[in-house]
Amino acid sequence: QLVLTQSPSASASLGASVKLTCALSSGHSSYAIAWLQQQPEKGPRYLMKLNSDGSHTKGDGIPDRFSGSSSGAERYLTISSLQSEDEADYYCQTWGTGIRVFGGGTKLTVL
Amino acid sequence: QVQLQESGPGLVKPSGTLSLTCAVSGGSISSSNWWSWVRQPPGKGLEWIGEIFHSGSTNCNPSLKSRVTILVDKSKNQFSLKLSSVTAADTAVYYCARESSGSYNYWGQGTLVTVSS
Repeated sequence: QLVLTQSPSASASLGASVKLTCALSSGHSSYAIAWLQQQPEKGPRYLMKLNSDGSHTKGDGIPDRFSGSSSGAERYLTISSLQSEDEADYYCQTWGTGIRVFGGGTKLTVL
Repeated sequence: QVQLQESGPGLVKPSGTLSLTCAVSGGSISSSNWWSWVRQPPGKGLEWIGEIFHSGSTNCNPSLKSRVTILVDKSKNQFSLKLSSVTAADTAVYYCARESSGSYNYWGQGTLVTVSS
């Protein structure tokens, strides 16, 4: 079964960096994912598509502070030089034949 | 720039049918993309409901499949969602989104649907 697992919460200080993790279920380590950001009271915003080899394609207007990487079945989103507006929920999303799956989301707090 | 806009009643009675439409602008619904519905209950995460291709082919979340109908109207460049036999558990913000190479790169602003008598 295709499942994405994310930690419920993370925190980091203003100006620092943070690395969020999305884990693919067993047998799905080659799958690409997408990272989405949802700021408070707003709809989701596409950040990037991240492949198993770490290559990624960012959405229009996404700052260079956002980057992605991969290792095995884990996919990462790194945000550097944290700003207050980065405080948001971050979701990973993947897909298989006839199915789309979302992770549970990570709530990022900027201290 | 593709834009999506959800519309429909904000209040539905229990056991009734939820009906929403997503109008697409800035792009054609006949493009090689899947068009999806995603929902988010208050304070919770995102849940995929289902999707449609311009040919009419659909895929649905197995947990909702028996209650979901998704249709496309190419003449109006829009697609729609019907969810039958609703309960309070179906109260959520409903989003429409466009898939591209697997990921959702365009989203509507969302519309809150409350199920209550």
